[in-house]
Amino acid sequence: GEDVEQSLFLSVREGDSSVINCTYTDSSSTYLYWYKQEPGAGLQLLTYIFSNMDMKQDQRLTVLLNKKDKHLSLRIADTQTGDSAIYFCAESMGKGGNKLTFGTGTQLKVEL
Amino acid sequence: DGGITQSPKYLFRKEGQNVTLSCEQNLNHDAMYWYRQDPGQGLRLIYYSQIVNDFQKGDIAEGYSVSREKKESFPLTVTSAQKNPTAFYLCASRKGQGTSEAFFGQGTRLTVV
Repeated sequence: GEDVEQSLFLSVREGDSSVINCTYTDSSSTYLYWYKQEPGAGLQLLTYIFSNMDMKQDQRLTVLLNKKDKHLSLRIADTQTGDSAIYFCAESMGKGGNKLTFGTGTQLKVEL
Repeated sequence: DGGITQSPKYLFRKEGQNVTLSCEQNLNHDAMYWYRQDPGQGLRLIYYSQIVNDFQKGDIAEGYSVSREKKESFPLTVTSAQKNPTAFYLCASRKGQGTSEAFFGQGTRLTVV
């Protein structure tokens, strides 16, 4: 099957860095994404990376892609209480790349 | 304003009844998706549609049905065959593949009693 796996919980102190990890299974995925979900709401795209890239940086966010190990990570620098949410990685796969599959989600809790 | 709308936000049904969840978008997006969200299991893909009058099963399609008669609309029917229908359902749309962002509705929480 096409499982995208993440650890369920992560707790960090405000100001520290957070690293959220994801393992995907479809080596043909061309794009990988990170989405954020606030409580009781839908998801919003944070960033994405093309499969021929190793790293992408966008302000406080750094995405690392290890295609050989099918491992994706999201690093949030200087984590704030407003970053507390569920973070999902996702991949585009299938014919035309239109099948969008999400991971299990990681709940990030930021403590003072 | 452009967006994607799901209705209703909360829905209660008796066991054995079919129920249809609405999803409408005015973003002119080609692709639309239905996901189910359960605690600890993330988002699981039920059905998706890449174009009008075409749709594909996702990973957990059993007990669900969809239609895509109009570009703007992608209703999901939860049938009585779905063994565990109580969940939070999310609809999404996006322009196409690649870098295009998926936009999500606010979700429908279905409770079957």
